[in-house]
Amino acid sequence: AQKVTQAQTEISVVEKEDVTLDCVYETRDTTYYLFWYKQPPSGELVFLIRRNSFDEQNEISGRYSWNFQKSTSSFNFTITASQVVDSAVYFCALSESDKLIFGTGTRLQVFP
Amino acid sequence: GAGVSQSPRYKVAKRGQDVALRCDPISGHVSLFWYQQALGQGPEFLTYFQNEAQLDKSGLPSDRFFAERPEGSVSTLKIQRTQQEDSAVYLCASSIGTRGTYNEQFFGPGTRLTVL
Repeated sequence: AQKVTQAQTEISVVEKEDVTLDCVYETRDTTYYLFWYKQPPSGELVFLIRRNSFDEQNEISGRYSWNFQKSTSSFNFTITASQVVDSAVYFCALSESDKLIFGTGTRLQVFP
Repeated sequence: GAGVSQSPRYKVAKRGQDVALRCDPISGHVSLFWYQQALGQGPEFLTYFQNEAQLDKSGLPSDRFFAERPEGSVSTLKIQRTQQEDSAVYLCASSIGTRGTYNEQFFGPGTRLTVL
């Protein structure tokens, strides 16, 4: 069965520190998609990135970067120079059939 | 509107009551999803619509849960005879693509259901 594991329940950092959120997945599919979503205190899930299984290139968007490694079934997310506004719960998700399978999330707290 | 909207935002029900949760997807989005998010957990899939067709309802936890999207836009999730274990946030998401395209899903703010 498909599964997403986010082993880090909560991470606390001080502003301007770099932080990496880990995501490990299990799937039998040869073609699949991976996602990251941000859930701020307001509760609404915000899409951050989608990556398909054939594209292992790392991606950078501003202070955000993603490292996809099929060999280790990981899709890690790094925030460089973290800011207080980055405080949220971050979810990694995997496509399965018609739906997304979410991990349990990592709560990131960035202190000033 | 610009995004997915859900109503009500908060609902308190006595055990045994029926509730109806509404979702207005982004205009033109073909796919619509319902998820249930328990406290401290990730969202869990309930059901999927492509236009008005309910193509997957494998995540509905019991026959007390029912969803519809009769005209291919607005959707309603109905829970009959609510139980305390139904307390959760119910999230609706829409996507522009059809089945299997895995375009990003845009989420609404959710309805927080509390069953007393």
